[in-house]
Amino acid sequence: QKEVEQNSGPLSVPEGAIASLNCTYSDRGSQSFFWYRQYSGKSPELIMSIYSNGDKEDGRFTAQLNKASQYVSLLIRDSQPSDSATYLCAVNESEGAQKLVFGQGTRLTINP
Amino acid sequence: ETGVTQTPRHLVMGMTNKKSLKCEQHLGHNAMYWYKQSAKKPLELMFVYNFKEQTENNSVPSRFSPECPNSSHLFLHLHTLQPEDSALYLCASSQAGASGNTIYFGEGSWLTVV
Repeated sequence: QKEVEQNSGPLSVPEGAIASLNCTYSDRGSQSFFWYRQYSGKSPELIMSIYSNGDKEDGRFTAQLNKASQYVSLLIRDSQPSDSATYLCAVNESEGAQKLVFGQGTRLTINP
Repeated sequence: ETGVTQTPRHLVMGMTNKKSLKCEQHLGHNAMYWYKQSAKKPLELMFVYNFKEQTENNSVPSRFSPECPNSSHLFLHLHTLQPEDSALYLCASSQAGASGNTIYFGEGSWLTVV
């Protein structure tokens, strides 16, 4: 059973601080990793994708991947109240069709 | 605005009813998916279609019946559902065969079974 684990939270972070979201996965052969943001009552939207070990930055977001430790994280710098949402970690199970396995999500609240 | 549109957005149905969820993608993708999202559970993959052919049925009960007439349209036919089937049903699409490509979700159909 391939699994993706996230701390369900809630995680509370003061406005302007760095929010750190973590995810571990069980399938050592996984190659593609994604972070989705889901606002309450809405569908998931892609925030970041990462495929290689190391860091990938996009604006205030940084994804970090460590395949040896089977660990992927998302850092949000200068957190804003609008960042309050549930963040879903997803791991691609296979090439070709995207069979994403999702974690249960971490609920993040940014406090003004 | 989304390239994947789902209708209806909200549906209430009785356990003896038959209804269908519809999904259309305008992104030129060749793979389409149905996911189920229940409260406090991870998103669950239900079905995968590649080039209109079903390539994955994730042990979904037969009261859920998918149909993919072409690469742009996907249906989920519902009959004799149970209250525990109440959930958000998400359609998604991607370009299969392209390594590392992304899944794009529709806005979802909220289903309540009474």
